[in-house]
Amino acid sequence: AQTVTQSQPEMSVQEAETVTLSCTYDTSESNYYLFWYKQPPSRQMILVIRQEAYKQQNATENRFSVNFQKAAKSFSLKISDSQLGDTAMYFCAFIDQGGSEKLVFGKGMKLTVNP
Amino acid sequence: DADVTQTPRNRITKTGKRIMLECSQTKGHDRMYWYRQDPGLGLRLIYYSFDVKDINKGEISDGYSVSRQAQAKFSLSLESAIPNQTALYFCATSAPGGYGWGEQFFGPGTRLTVL
Repeated sequence: AQTVTQSQPEMSVQEAETVTLSCTYDTSESNYYLFWYKQPPSRQMILVIRQEAYKQQNATENRFSVNFQKAAKSFSLKISDSQLGDTAMYFCAFIDQGGSEKLVFGKGMKLTVNP
Repeated sequence: DADVTQTPRNRITKTGKRIMLECSQTKGHDRMYWYRQDPGLGLRLIYYSFDVKDINKGEISDGYSVSRQAQAKFSLSLESAIPNQTALYFCATSAPGGYGWGEQFFGPGTRLTVL
């Protein structure tokens, strides 16, 4: 079964700094997608960024980028120029294409951006 | 208007009561999901449905049942609520293929407390 591990339960960073959130996963599949979801205090789940496993290029979305290391099964999220609004729970998630097609989540990580 | 809606948003009930959580979507997606979120455990899949006639158990289906009344509606029932079902419940939808495959769109969540 696929598993997703977020080893850091909590982090804090100063506004405008850069922070990296780590995620590792375990799968025997070769075709899959990875996601980072953000859950602010409003509790809404918001997609931050996605990465297709077949793409070697790391995905970027404005201040958010990933470091996808397929061989190491690592998928970290880098947040540049952190803002107070980035304070949230962050969940890493995995879905395999052609298998169970169910989204598997990590346990989440609480990020606090301090002024 | 929100694409995925959940009712109620908050609910307090007593042990042994039957309760239904409802989810509606206007995204036209065939696939719908129910998750529960507990602190430190991430999101865990309760049930999922890939179309109106397809219902599948997730990893934690015991004590829950679902009904897919239409493509746009997917309800979760707790036949006899117990305190350890106190959690945040999310409904989600996804498209079966094409660009954006795998991404799930979440409702605002229902905070359920069982006393």
